[in-house]
Amino acid sequence: GAGVSQSPRYKVAKRGQDVALRCDPISGHVSLFWYQQALGQGPEFLTYFQNEAQLDKSGLPSDRFFAERPEGSVSTLKIQRTQKEDSAVYLCASSPTWGGSTDTQYFGPGTRLTVL
Amino acid sequence: AQKITQTQPGMFVQEKEAVTLDCTYDTSDQSYGLFWYKQPSSGEMIFLIYQGSYDEQNATEGRYSLNFQKARKSANLVISASQLGDSAMYFCAMREAGAGSYQLTFGKGTKLSVIP
Repeated sequence: GAGVSQSPRYKVAKRGQDVALRCDPISGHVSLFWYQQALGQGPEFLTYFQNEAQLDKSGLPSDRFFAERPEGSVSTLKIQRTQKEDSAVYLCASSPTWGGSTDTQYFGPGTRLTVL
Repeated sequence: AQKITQTQPGMFVQEKEAVTLDCTYDTSDQSYGLFWYKQPSSGEMIFLIYQGSYDEQNATEGRYSLNFQKARKSANLVISASQLGDSAMYFCAMREAGAGSYQLTFGKGTKLSVIP
């Protein structure tokens, strides 16, 4: 079956522009996660959805970052007034159930954001 | 303190040989899951293997096995019969079962290069 898909794969923005990154999780997956991966680092957690409810947004670095999943499937990560330090790969992951410690997360290919 | 430590920034292995990638972790939870992911240059995080904290046997998946030593808080990945396609970044990650802890915490990764 289809895996997690993300679009666009690459995004170049001028500093100060707003961007929107899309994630299509695996069909039927309850949980959806966003991670940020800086160059040469491991991914870092941004936010978590269980269906349409955003249960954890503790990793969002500032109030310029906003995520939504209004119908419990597709999710959008929006970054307002982008800054150079926002340049990173943004990874989306989904998992089948509510997110226990045994629940495997399946990742998309990521969106590489470059802010000039 | 880092929750996941991968002490080998880079590793080289001869094709068809076995290689061990190190991972140590830090948690006070009794229930947790440990995961290994592979990230090729294309960027997608590919799930390899999972070990639960209560699992008594080491996990195996094809050429991948996890050497789990709970008392030492160690979860090393062993790749047998290395192939050229195994060249990639490898990340160890942990998911703690405590309330509100849904995300994966990743190490900084190990870059594996397989030499023909």
